[in-house]
Amino acid sequence: KAGVTQTPRYLIKTRGQQVTLSCSPISGHRSVSWYQQTPGQGLQFLFEYFSETQRNKGNFPGRFSGRQFSNSRSEMNVSTLELGDSALYLCASSLPQDRGVYNEQFFGPGTRLTVL
Amino acid sequence: DQQVKQNSPSLSVQEGRISILNCDYTNSMFDYFLWYKKYPAEGPTFLISISSIKDKNEDGRFTVFLNKSAKHLSLHIVPSQPGDSAVYFCAASPTTSGTYKYIFGTGTRLKVLA
Repeated sequence: KAGVTQTPRYLIKTRGQQVTLSCSPISGHRSVSWYQQTPGQGLQFLFEYFSETQRNKGNFPGRFSGRQFSNSRSEMNVSTLELGDSALYLCASSLPQDRGVYNEQFFGPGTRLTVL
Repeated sequence: DQQVKQNSPSLSVQEGRISILNCDYTNSMFDYFLWYKKYPAEGPTFLISISSIKDKNEDGRFTVFLNKSAKHLSLHIVPSQPGDSAVYFCAASPTTSGTYKYIFGTGTRLKVLA
């Protein structure tokens, strides 16, 4: 079974530009979450999508947005890039979580975004 | 406000000895805890988890201990192997039905010396 794939793997942008990152979950996984990893901050939760609906959102400004398509693929968009947006952006997919039953999240390799 | 804290950014251990990685949390609503391992240029991979109804969970060389009163969990690796050298993240999930919102710590870099 193919793992979570993320494209592109590396990206260089300049301040003020916008960027779109893509994530293809494991086949059958309908939940997709996005995280930002920066040195010293660990992984910070951005948002989670399930069945094309955003179910939960972290504490990030509105410049960060996402969507999920009917095939469960997800994209995240960052508009008006700032230097502080330079980070590794990780996508994770999982089976739906039922009350009291936690399913493992499988992470992709991430997209390394550098903002100059 | 860091709700999940890993106060040791790095740890070095001799091969064959025990590695103990620690994690503290502040939110009493967390009821599920996980450990992930991350190698460079790869995404984190799930290692082991524990529910708040337990105080210990074991999987081969890996054991996670949970002390709810102290809001503390630890990961024990016995015996440590050079291949265990990686960054380890602990994560916690609040009692939120049906969503994945894991709160991660900042990670501890483990180096196992041959």
